[in-house]
Amino acid sequence: EAGVTQSPTHLIKTRGQQATLRCSPISGHTSVYWYQQALGLGLQFLLWYDEGEERNRGNFPPRFSGRQFPNYSSELNVNALELEDSALYLCASSRSRTGLNTFGSGTRLTVV
Amino acid sequence: QKEVEQNSGPLSVPEGAIASLNCTYSDRGSQSFFWYRQYSGKSPELIMFIYSNGDKEDGRFTAQLNKASQYVSLLIRDSQPSDSATYLCAAGGGISYDKVIFGPGTSLSVIP
Repeated sequence: EAGVTQSPTHLIKTRGQQATLRCSPISGHTSVYWYQQALGLGLQFLLWYDEGEERNRGNFPPRFSGRQFPNYSSELNVNALELEDSALYLCASSRSRTGLNTFGSGTRLTVV
Repeated sequence: QKEVEQNSGPLSVPEGAIASLNCTYSDRGSQSFFWYRQYSGKSPELIMFIYSNGDKEDGRFTAQLNKASQYVSLLIRDSQPSDSATYLCAAGGGISYDKVIFGPGTSLSVIP
């Protein structure tokens, strides 16, 4: 069984640009969660998608957005990039709203 | 503000010793508790979860929960150099992962 896959592995963007990060959940998993892990900080919850709908979002500005596609894959968009957006972005999926999460390997976003 | 606190470390233990990792949480409504292991540059991997007061053992790992003291711990017996990683404690108040709060992690180094 393939795990949670994220792309790209690394992404370098200039301040003010937009970044798009992608996540494919484990087959059969319908819930996708996005997290930000900045250096020295814990995992911060960003967004939760389940069955194609946004179910909750964390304490992040609206320039962080995303969507979930009919095949349950998801993308995270970050607009108007700021230097402090540099972080590891992790996607996790679970079989249901209450299932245990499995994390992907992450996308390292660097904003210069 | 709901918080999960951990000593950042680094915690150093000799090979074969017991490593003890501690965590406190602020939300008395938390119902589920997780320990993740994260190797440098890798994604978090769930190693233990616990819902009830007391101890839960899985191989060399024992999770301990004391809801009255709002305290969770992870014991690693017969520590191996391969256990060297950052350990994330997380506490959840609901049935879905969007309510899970992660601590900043404790860095463990097992010295051969």
